[in-house]
Amino acid sequence: EVQLVETGGGLVQPGRSLKLSCVASGFTFNNYWMSWTRQAPGKGLEWVASITNSGGSTYYPDSVKGRFTISRDNAQNTLYLQMNSLRSEDTATYYCTRDNPVWFAYWGQGTLVTVSS
Amino acid sequence: DVVMTQTPVSLPVSLGGQASISCRSSQSLVHSNGNTYLHWYLQKPGQSPQLLIYRVSNRFSGVPDRFSGSGSGTDFTLKISRVEPEDLGDYYCLQSTHFPRTFGGGTKLELK
Repeated sequence: EVQLVETGGGLVQPGRSLKLSCVASGFTFNNYWMSWTRQAPGKGLEWVASITNSGGSTYYPDSVKGRFTISRDNAQNTLYLQMNSLRSEDTATYYCTRDNPVWFAYWGQGTLVTVSS
Repeated sequence: DVVMTQTPVSLPVSLGGQASISCRSSQSLVHSNGNTYLHWYLQKPGQSPQLLIYRVSNRFSGVPDRFSGSGSGTDFTLKISRVEPEDLGDYYCLQSTHFPRTFGGGTKLELK
């Protein structure tokens, strides 16, 4: 069974940094692209970042490019999202997804990030 | 960016009835490889989104055949027949033909 467990969310001040983790199990991690998608409270879904199975290429929308970095450790079956220069509009639940290959087939339970002073 | 427009925003239905949700894209979703990367998700209250349909019309593992997807180019439809209580929630379309990946704004399926 595919399992994705996100951790690392919490309350952070504007301008500060936070790093999210997603531990994967139930599949061969290094065979799949992985992504992060977020959902602001009461709002719709927004894709945040994707990474190829080797980690050699990464993709971002303009809203987070230059501030967020997606990475992975295939030996530890773990996906990361380093978030810098956080803004109030980054407040959201962040979901880790396994891509199949370019759609988001499996989702974690999400971790809430609140950016506020 | 490709804009995904979903209609309606809210869709009241009766149990056992049928529902239809439209998703239109601002440009063609046909990839250079010939595939069309348009997908549908359901987010039940308090839960993570779950994949229903991938590549326009393919049901994901475990998805009942009450759900069907159709369309081409820029115009796509999700149909739900014989609506059951567990079908209620927010539906989203997603395009992954182009970067950035973009979602529709969502359709809330609720009881009439």
